Amino acid sequence: EAEVAQSPRYKITEKSQAVAFWCDPISGHATLYWYRQILGQGPELLVQFQDESVVDDSQLPKDRFSAERLKGVDSTLKIQPAELGDSAMYLCASSLDWDRIYEQYFGPGTRLTVT
Amino acid sequence: AQKVTQAQTEISVVEKEDVTLDCVYETRDTTYYLFWYKQPPSGELVFLIRRNSFDEQNEISGRYSWNFQKSTSSFNFTITASQVVDSAVYFCALCSSNTGKLIFGQGTTLQVKP
Repeated sequence: EAEVAQSPRYKITEKSQAVAFWCDPISGHATLYWYRQILGQGPELLVQFQDESVVDDSQLPKDRFSAERLKGVDSTLKIQPAELGDSAMYLCASSLDWDRIYEQYFGPGTRLTVT
Repeated sequence: AQKVTQAQTEISVVEKEDVTLDCVYETRDTTYYLFWYKQPPSGELVFLIRRNSFDEQNEISGRYSWNFQKSTSSFNFTITASQVVDSAVYFCALCSSNTGKLIFGQGTTLQVKP
């Protein structure tokens, strides 16, 4: 069964360092989502891609976060510099297309700890 | 505004007890989807169910059942004869076809003790 892949699964970094997460969606899925889940809360959308274009990044802290999906397939989320408050689970999801948002498939997540 | 409220932060039950997790949502849209996800300690989100706003039929899947009531904007989840493996955080979520965003509740931590 096709799955969304994410790496690394766990990342520990010191504050002010740069960190990057990678996501490979299910093959053929045009829409890709990055969510952040702070401990004790539900996931919150950071950015949504349709192919290689950003559709919604209204909740992305653009002073330190960046996201790209250059060839419309896999995606990278970067934080530079990392802050203590960035400690969270970062979840990637994909759906076949923008109008199939109700069929999102989630990856296993990257758990980030900033010390 | 879209909003999902899971008023129960934590629930603790003894194995074999039935337990109901509450979910109340807010939306002005007529077409929307409701979801339940399970998040075990390992962290991945496990999809449990999706219902659309036009289908108010209750659903049963093994020990799990869901009660969708538009009149009270609720989508409650019941686990019958709970087991230790049911221990996890459970999230209710709302997706409006208008906004195209998946909005999660704060989650309910369920602990099932042996």
